[in-house]
Amino acid sequence: DAGITQSPRHKVTETGTPVTLRCHQTENHRYMYWYRQDPGHGLRLIHYSYGVKDTDKGEVSDGYSVSRSKTEDFLLTLESATSSQTSVYFCAISGGTGPGDTQYFGPGTRLTVL
Amino acid sequence: DAKTTQPTSMDCAEGRAANLPCNHSTISGNEYVYWYRQIHSQGPQYIIHGLKNNETNEMASLIITEDRKSSTLILPHATLRDTAVYYCIVIPLSGSARQLTFGSGTQLTVLP
Repeated sequence: DAGITQSPRHKVTETGTPVTLRCHQTENHRYMYWYRQDPGHGLRLIHYSYGVKDTDKGEVSDGYSVSRSKTEDFLLTLESATSSQTSVYFCAISGGTGPGDTQYFGPGTRLTVL
Repeated sequence: DAKTTQPTSMDCAEGRAANLPCNHSTISGNEYVYWYRQIHSQGPQYIIHGLKNNETNEMASLIITEDRKSSTLILPHATLRDTAVYYCIVIPLSGSARQLTFGSGTQLTVLP
């Protein structure tokens, strides 16, 4: 299994509070991704990173920001959580030459916003 | 825009081959076909990928039609542990990750 951990694994928070999710990898892969998964929507890309301090938006980036100050860590921040951001969040990594390379996923973080 | 179309659900008897279809009629010449699966509550898991030739690994076989507009993932001897949602995606090897899209996939249920 690829060395990917996510923290926390479960979190319950209240509307309006800031939340930061962490993805940590030990594979030294260049690309890192944040997805959210909701019933009936499959996986939707929030943001991704193609190197340290290099990030870009995905399909559903509104309300989220990311940072990558080290190769191994990719942080997802909800500046002011809303109930619509209740979801399961997955981090993924890939090496190779582009985002089309094989992705390896973390175990997920279940976030509930009350 | 959905780049792939998959049946919502399928059943398969344990020990039999499971054949999961995927339609990708708008695929471009530089796009790969990838298959992932997600067992309940876990992170998705890579299965196999291909460009135009058929591929086989220890988990599955991938059959891509000659015109590349569709493909079939084959699990040769399905077990109960293969019950999962199977995702077919197409993606160019290089390019923006904004093109990454996982649809709703196919829920495969392996029956005892």
